[in-house]
Amino acid sequence: DAGVTQSPTHLIKTRGQHVTLRCSPISGHKSVSWYQQVLGQGPQFIFQYYEKEERGRGNFPDRFSARQFPNYSSELNVNALLLGDSALYLCASSLSGILQGYTFGSGTRLTVV
Amino acid sequence: GESVGLHLPTLSVQEGDNSIINCAYSNSASDYFIWYKQESGKGPQFIIDIRSNMDKRQGQRVTVLLNKTVKHLSLQIAATQPGDSAVYFCAELSSGGYQKVTFGTGTKLQVIP
Repeated sequence: DAGVTQSPTHLIKTRGQHVTLRCSPISGHKSVSWYQQVLGQGPQFIFQYYEKEERGRGNFPDRFSARQFPNYSSELNVNALLLGDSALYLCASSLSGILQGYTFGSGTRLTVV
Repeated sequence: GESVGLHLPTLSVQEGDNSIINCAYSNSASDYFIWYKQESGKGPQFIIDIRSNMDKRQGQRVTVLLNKTVKHLSLQIAATQPGDSAVYFCAELSSGGYQKVTFGTGTKLQVIP
């Protein structure tokens, strides 16, 4: 049974560029959340989506956006990349947003140069 | 602002000994806490949780203690094994209609064979 899959696993972008990260939740899971983890720190909440609607947003600038598709997969978009956006971006899925049911993917490592 | 933090950034433990990882939280309104384990190159993995109406909860080889008076959380790992080497995060659940996890900085546990 496949877990949460994220693509790509690694990515290098230049300052000012745009990036799209993708997440496929566990089959049957309707909630997807995105987190940013800077090296040496804990993950920081970015967004939560449930049934294709945004349910929560963390303290991130408008350069960050996301959406959830009818098949419950999700994309995280970041515009006008800054060096400080370099981080591991984690996606987590759950059946209905129940915390202990969250399963994290292995993340996408984004490096902005 | 509200935050969840850890006392020690690195903990080295002899294999077979017990490990204790500590965490201080600042939001006295938090009513749900979780411990996660993150191995290199992987996303956080749920270990154990505890609600604020409890002061102790046990799992397999792990115990979480909650002291609401001093806003302190700890994770005890019995008979620490090399496979326990990882970064451990305490986290709290934020209320507000969606499931937002606020992670602490993390403690790296190194098990000495």
